[in-house]
Amino acid sequence: GEDVEQSLFLSVREGDSSVINCTYTDSSSTYLYWYKQEPGAGLQLLTYIFSNMDMKQDQRLTVLLNKKDKHLSLRIADTQTGDSAIYFCAEFRSSASKIIFGSGTRLSIRP
Amino acid sequence: NAGVMQNPRHLVRRRGQEARLRCSPMKGHSHVYWYRQLPEEGLKFMVYLQKENIIDESGMPKERFSAEFPKEGPSILRIQQVVRGDSAAYFCASSPNGVIKAPGGEKLFFGSGTQLSVL
Repeated sequence: GEDVEQSLFLSVREGDSSVINCTYTDSSSTYLYWYKQEPGAGLQLLTYIFSNMDMKQDQRLTVLLNKKDKHLSLRIADTQTGDSAIYFCAEFRSSASKIIFGSGTRLSIRP
Repeated sequence: NAGVMQNPRHLVRRRGQEARLRCSPMKGHSHVYWYRQLPEEGLKFMVYLQKENIIDESGMPKERFSAEFPKEGPSILRIQQVVRGDSAAYFCASSPNGVIKAPGGEKLFFGSGTQLSVL
């Protein structure tokens, strides 16, 4: 299929870890991305991972890639209220030479 | 260094009118992409342009929609005879090299979007 798939909503308690999951379709995708969209704003690139990597860590963010299952996850440690946003998974689809986005996961933080 | 600038932020049109959405890429970026975001949906690719050229318009509806990126000035996404189904957020992104020239490694920088509402 065409789609990059994500669940639409995730709610976590402040201070807990958030894990946002994504499945993609193109096994030849070379780069996978996580973008963050705050209310009323455009998308901001958070992090990306090259397909020959299994994991990438950047401060509170950890990206895990399971290439066999075409599964990508973003873990946010010690989730804060400022992390409330929509998180988009995206893949560079080599066959189409374009970046394809998922539907986004809305992360909400409860006290 | 200003980011990607889109205007207007909000645009209201009646059915049948024309909508013009403008995007000024980041300084030094010559590649522009337009995406459309419908409520509760992801971003759908519409068109990819390089200065004065349309590289990929596979996501553009065949009728009423057009895009340009002239040698001077911003990129314009034009929607003629708008219908209610055109209501969406339209995002522009730019990159310095383009995903074709630097496949995979290219990062897109997004504007804040134009929210088009068709009455």
